[in-house]
Amino acid sequence: KNEVEQSPQNLTAQEGEFITINCSYSVGISALHWLQQHPGGGIVSLFMLSSGKKKHGRLIATINIQEKHSSLHITASHPRDSAVYICAVLTTDSWGKLQFGAGTQVVVTP
Amino acid sequence: EADIYQTPRYLVIGTGKKITLECSQTMGHDKMYWYQQDPGMELHLIHYSYGVNSTEKGDLSSESTVSRIRTEHFPLTLESARPSHTSQYLCASSDLVSIEQFFGPGTRLTVL
Repeated sequence: KNEVEQSPQNLTAQEGEFITINCSYSVGISALHWLQQHPGGGIVSLFMLSSGKKKHGRLIATINIQEKHSSLHITASHPRDSAVYICAVLTTDSWGKLQFGAGTQVVVTP
Repeated sequence: EADIYQTPRYLVIGTGKKITLECSQTMGHDKMYWYQQDPGMELHLIHYSYGVNSTEKGDLSSESTVSRIRTEHFPLTLESARPSHTSQYLCASSDLVSIEQFFGPGTRLTVL
C-alpha cells in the first residue's frame, strides 16, 4: 500500500471552476511537495510546505500536520491548468528522498 | 526557473544496446536523483547521490548504474537495454540546505 494517497485520481472541471486535490499520508514527514507534470513529462515544483498555507497566483496549498493531510486548490481554473498534480512527502526517516503519490489527472475544459 | 537538463529527450533503441542518459545541472546542487516513471504510475527513486563520488541505490531495484565524477553531471547507464527498461527517466537535484527538488524534462526511453 502506498504511504501517500491522492484523491481523486481523475478530475474534469469547466473553466472557471474551483478545484481541490487531496493528499493523505501515513508516515512522519518533514515537508510536503506539490508538483505539476505536463503531458510532455517535465515536472515543475509548485510548493514545498511543512505547515500552514502557501499561495502563488491562483494556486493555494494547505497542510495539516496533525491530520496528515494536505490540499491543493486551484481557483478560477483554466485549460492551461490541465496536468497531473503529484503530492510527494519528505519522510523523517530519509534524507532528501521523496515518496510520491500516484498523481491526480486534471482536465479543465473551455 | 530550474537549470537542469536531460539528453536525449526521446530515445528508441534495440535490445542489447548500451545507452547513457545524460543529466546536468548548473545550480551547484550537491544532491542529485534519478527517478523512473511508467505511464500513469508514480515516480520511483532508482539512484541518488549526495555529492561527488557518492552514489546510492534507490527504493526501486534497477539494472542501471550511475556515476558522479563532477558536481554538475549525473549520467545513468544501461549496459544492455531490454524492453522491460522502456519507461520515462527523470533527473532531479537539490541543495543541502533547501530540500526542494528541481526536475529535468525527462528522457522517454523505448527499447524494441
